[in-house]
Order: sequence, then structure tokens, then C-alpha cells
Amino acid sequence: DAGVTQSPTHLIKTRGQQVTLRCSPKSGHDTVSWYQQALGQGPQFIFQYYEEEERQRGNFPDRFSGHQFPNYSSELNVNALLLGDSALYLCASSLGQGLSGYTFGSGTRLTVV
Amino acid sequence: AQTVTQSQPEMSVQEAETVTLSCTYDTSESDYYLFWYKQPPSRQMILVIRQEAYKQQNATENRFSVNFQKAAKSFSLKISDSQLGDAAMYFCAYRRGYGGSQGNLIFGKGTKLSVKP
Repeated sequence: DAGVTQSPTHLIKTRGQQVTLRCSPKSGHDTVSWYQQALGQGPQFIFQYYEEEERQRGNFPDRFSGHQFPNYSSELNVNALLLGDSALYLCASSLGQGLSGYTFGSGTRLTVV
Repeated sequence: AQTVTQSQPEMSVQEAETVTLSCTYDTSESDYYLFWYKQPPSRQMILVIRQEAYKQQNATENRFSVNFQKAAKSFSLKISDSQLGDAAMYFCAYRRGYGGSQGNLIFGKGTKLSVKP
């Protein structure tokens, strides 16, 4: 049973650059959510995609954007990287509303230098 | 806005003993879900246990159980017969109930659990 797959696992970018992170949801899941987890903190919700549309968004600037493909996989794009964007980015998938809980991937560790 | 508070940044337990992790939350809603997630060094968030607010009975999953006090807005996790593999960060999370468009999880800051052999 394939769980949530995220790539890459680690990434180092320079301030001002752009980055794309990828996520393949668990088999059978159709909803993908992205979270940012700063060091020593709990994850913070970025946005959620369902049926290829952004259904809900957290308190993140427009530099953060995403996309969901017909096969339910998703991308997270961050433009004009800041040092403060350094964090673990987690992808979580669910079936529909996710009332039974979400399945998380192991994340992408982004370091901005 | 809903908030989740975990007041214990770190906890320690002896192997085979019992430990309780605390979580309180603030909400004005009556329909919601509460979760405990475990995050080991592998970084993957693993669902430990889930509680539906409208259910009076406390959820149990093998060695893991919760004490859900709805009026006090408290949701503690009890780990019995602690094992070395239980060592991890534990996050308490809240989610609005069905029908709301706000389907995201709201997490606490976490509690780091150490298990001593």
C-alpha cells in the first residue's frame, strides 16, 4: 500500500530563488494538503487542493502557490524565497474531507541560504 | 479562531511505565474532531488516535487511550506499557466538523517524549 510520497527529501536554495516541491497522495485519496513546519513548531496549514482546485488556504502570502493534477498528485511552488521559508514542508492526503484523519508524507526539508 | 495548546515541551517515561501527555484547545464550535499524531525522527506524521467530539466514549487504540473532557476542552493522551519505539514528538490537532469548509488541521507545538530503558 503506497503511502504519501514527497520529493525531493532535502533541498538547498538561495534567497530570491523559486522552488517546486512534489507530492503523490496515498492510493485512493483525492485531497492533498500542504503544511509548513518550522523547527521546533507544529505544522502550519498552507492550502488544500481538491478536484484540481484550491479549496482552502491558510495565512500564507501569494508567493506560495500550488497545483493539483488529474491523477491527484500536487505541487507546491514558492517564489522569491526568504530565509524564513526554511522549514520542513509536509504533504498530507485524505479521501474527501479527511474526517478520518490524514496520511502524511515524510516531508521535504527546505533550507534557504 | 481555534487554538491548540500543549503545555509540556518535553516528557520522559521509563520503559513499561505509563505516561500522559496534555492538550487543551479553544473553540466555540460543538462539532469537531481531535487527533494525536506521532512524529519520529523519520519526520512522517503518524496518526495515533482520533476522537469525535460528539462521542462521549474515550477513544482507545491498543496501548494508547485518551481522556476527552469536552466541557474543560481537554484532550490528553495516555500511553501504557511504554516502549522504546514510542519515543517521538507528539502533536495534538483539531479539525472542524463536517460541513465546514475549514477542513485543515490545527496543531499544537508538540511534546517531545523520551523513553528510558
